[in-house]
Parts: sequence; C-alpha cells; structure tokens
Amino acid sequence: SQQGEEDPQALSIQEGENATMNCSYKTSINNLQWYRQNSGRGLVHLILIRSNEREKHSGRLRVTLDTSKKSSSLLITASRAADTASYFCATDSSYKLIFGSGTRLLVRP
Amino acid sequence: GAGVSQTPSNKVTEKGKYVELRCDPISGHTALYWYRQSLGQGPEFLIYFQGTGAADDSGLPNDRFFAVRPEGSVSTLKIQRTERGDSAMYLCASSLSGTSGKDEQFFGPGTRLTVL
Repeated sequence: SQQGEEDPQALSIQEGENATMNCSYKTSINNLQWYRQNSGRGLVHLILIRSNEREKHSGRLRVTLDTSKKSSSLLITASRAADTASYFCATDSSYKLIFGSGTRLLVRP
Repeated sequence: GAGVSQTPSNKVTEKGKYVELRCDPISGHTALYWYRQSLGQGPEFLIYFQGTGAADDSGLPNDRFFAVRPEGSVSTLKIQRTERGDSAMYLCASSLSGTSGKDEQFFGPGTRLTVL
C-alpha cells in the first residue's frame, strides 16, 4: 500500500518558473526522501530530510518537512526543460521505502 | 564507480512462462531491495535482503514470486507461471547497510516486464 500522496498529480509550468510539489504521509517516519524518475526508468535520489529537520536545500531544490502535519514540500526554483520528470516522495519508517503516487512535472521551454 | 545494474532491461514473455530478473548491486552494499512499479504509480516494496538472507519478504504478492541472493551480492527475482497482471517495471536498489534512517538507496534502471 502507498504511504504518501503527492499533490498535484500533474504540473505544467514555463521554463524559469518555480515548481512546488507536496507530499502527505500517514505514519511516523525516520526520514523522508524525494526521488526523480525520467520516462519510467530508474529512480534518482534527490534529497533526504530527517524527521528532526524542518528545511533542507540542495542546489535549486528546497525541501520542507512538517511532522505535525505529516507533510513535506519540494520546491524546484528556476525550472529547466530538463527538470521534466516524475517526482516521488518516500518515507522510511524502517529499512524499506514507501512511495507516494508521484507528481508528473512538465517544464515547457 | 558502477551503479546498480539490472538485466534484462526489457522482458516480454507469454502468460504461464517462468522469468528471472537479475540485479547487480553496488559493490560492498549489504542491503538489497526489490520494488515493483505499475504504470502511473509509485514503486511498491517486494523484498529486502540483508546479506544472503531475505530479512523481509512481506511485499511479495504470492508464492509465484521468489527471490534469492546466494552469495550476498547478485540477486535474482523469479516469477513462476506469469500472469498479465505481473506486467510492471521491476526495480532493484541497494544500500550500504540497510540501517533505518541512515542509508540512501541507490536504484537500478529497472526491468520492464510485459506478460502477453
């Protein structure tokens, strides 16, 4: 069963704009991770935020975590056409990852 | 260094046949995971190996699915009497130790299985 739910399911923006994706989950977690997937292939790890962290940055990525609301957001700033992909959040309550259903991002050039 | 590799990249088979999917983890990673991803969905956990043993196979959908990792490195996911509903992307991942909350899981490119 899926733990997280991403919102929106699909997002279309113009190159240069910011993209925000949200993730909600159900149970307590040790950490939350965001992954990217191009064209139905393998997953690329983007960023991990631990349950005691509230915000984390990596390049053009900014992730927030609100454990009281059981939610996280991923912000991609100054988007590029190459950012077009599906983005998944995944929670890790033990050793296995539990993924949401993903947000499909389209960045129009 | 080399990442996680999976073979074949695509597998088309007929209903009722037996298939094997192979995963080569990153060298030195003791933890190995199999996930299954249906179209438009996120990956779902199948099985987790710590070394040679299956520490958690609770995600395997039924007894037609079996996985091994005899020497603690390469793993094979085996599906007997395939059904059309088995069609999906099968993803393998490995991590250094499998310790909760500490290890990043590195994913392979996946094997896309199509059962006709």
